Amino acid sequence: TQLLEQSPQFLSIQEGENLTVYCNSSSVFSSLQWYRQEPGEGPVLLVTVVTGGEVKKLKRLTFQFGDARKDSSLHITAAQPGDTGLYLCAGRMDSSYKLIFGSGTRLLVRP
Amino acid sequence: KAGVTQTPRYLIKTRGQQVTLSCSPISGHRSVSWYQQTPGQGLQFLFEYFSETQRNKGNFPGRFSGRQFSNSRSEMNVSTLELGDSALYLCASSSGTSRTDTQYFGPGTRLTVL
Repeated sequence: TQLLEQSPQFLSIQEGENLTVYCNSSSVFSSLQWYRQEPGEGPVLLVTVVTGGEVKKLKRLTFQFGDARKDSSLHITAAQPGDTGLYLCAGRMDSSYKLIFGSGTRLLVRP
Repeated sequence: KAGVTQTPRYLIKTRGQQVTLSCSPISGHRSVSWYQQTPGQGLQFLFEYFSETQRNKGNFPGRFSGRQFSNSRSEMNVSTLELGDSALYLCASSSGTSRTDTQYFGPGTRLTVL
């Protein structure tokens, strides 16, 4: 079982639509990161959130860390084909530098 | 700054063989982490090295081992390969001094075990 569960696993939407990806756990994380991975490449960091309730915006992407630091969400407004990729959440617990990855959400934005 | 490089990019081995993968981190980074990525299990943490010492370890069998050299370059070794070891192996480097620091990933080594 994954410590970090992402939903949905797959998402296929039309250009211009909005979407939200969820990352949930029963454990508390001291920090949580979101990465995007494209085929043939390693994941690239999008954002890091560290405070419960924190909201960060990156252009059309909005990231939120849950108040209890057990969950996070990524919201994309007006999705574009360039947003296509594998989105991964990853968290660290207080006691460790080890980064635990979620199961991933594969997003396809159709033109 | 040059990014994280991994060699080789692709590798084909047969069951029972062993393999060594190499990772060169970003200059100045002292932490190197290794991950296994498969369609079924996603990204699984293998181990992390910081200043030549293994600082964290995932839940993989002893056939998976690694080391880090004084220049921070790291190698990962898998002995007695099994079909299930076919995967994309990613390494990531970071400063290793903060639990919120950014991990920079290499492009990975795609290992196929026949």
